[in-house]
Amino acid sequence: NAGVTQTPKFRVLKTGQSMTLLCAQDMNHEYMYWYRQDPGMGLRLIHYSVGEGTTAKGEVPDGYNVSRLKKQNFLLGLESAAPSQTSVYFCASSVTVNSGANVLTFGAGSRLTVL
Amino acid sequence: GNSVTQMEGPVTLSEEAFLTINCTYTATGYPSLFWYVQYPGEGLQLLLKATKADDKGSNKGFEATYRKETTSFHLEKGSVQVSDSAVYFCALSARQAGTALIFGKGTTLSVSS
Repeated sequence: NAGVTQTPKFRVLKTGQSMTLLCAQDMNHEYMYWYRQDPGMGLRLIHYSVGEGTTAKGEVPDGYNVSRLKKQNFLLGLESAAPSQTSVYFCASSVTVNSGANVLTFGAGSRLTVL
Repeated sequence: GNSVTQMEGPVTLSEEAFLTINCTYTATGYPSLFWYVQYPGEGLQLLLKATKADDKGSNKGFEATYRKETTSFHLEKGSVQVSDSAVYFCALSARQAGTALIFGKGTTLSVSS
């Protein structure tokens, strides 16, 4: 059972270039999320999706776009990369358990460097 | 709005020492509370959770009790091991399906033998 898979794991971009990070989950989870992790900042929510075909903005959405065309995939796009987007990006998916808690499962992360 | 505050690290301990990592929260309603752990080079893994006041979450020797009166969810372990060296994140979410987690900034734990 693969869980949440992120590709690529590492990427170096030049300022102004574009790229897409792919997240795939095989757990049939309805909800998916993109976070970024920066030193001293913890994890901050970029965008999320509550179902196929739906997306919503999180805490730090500027400079990013997302799409959820298939339930199992959640794509994060950078149209014009900036050095401030150098970060480690984590995708997660979730299921709501009987207690009402929303438990997230995370991918291994994608390290992006923008020069 | 909702937020989580964790004690700043790094926390450096010797093997078999007692661990406490403080976490307090601000939230409307009755959130669910979580501790996640991140080992070097890996993603976050759920360590434990609690969904209502006075619940105690536990896993791998770690424990945390949901204290509504002090809005706290402190992580404890009686005897740490070198393999516990990692970054620990406290998090909360509203008790609503699909709600994203709000994380604290993380606390780095380093255990030496």
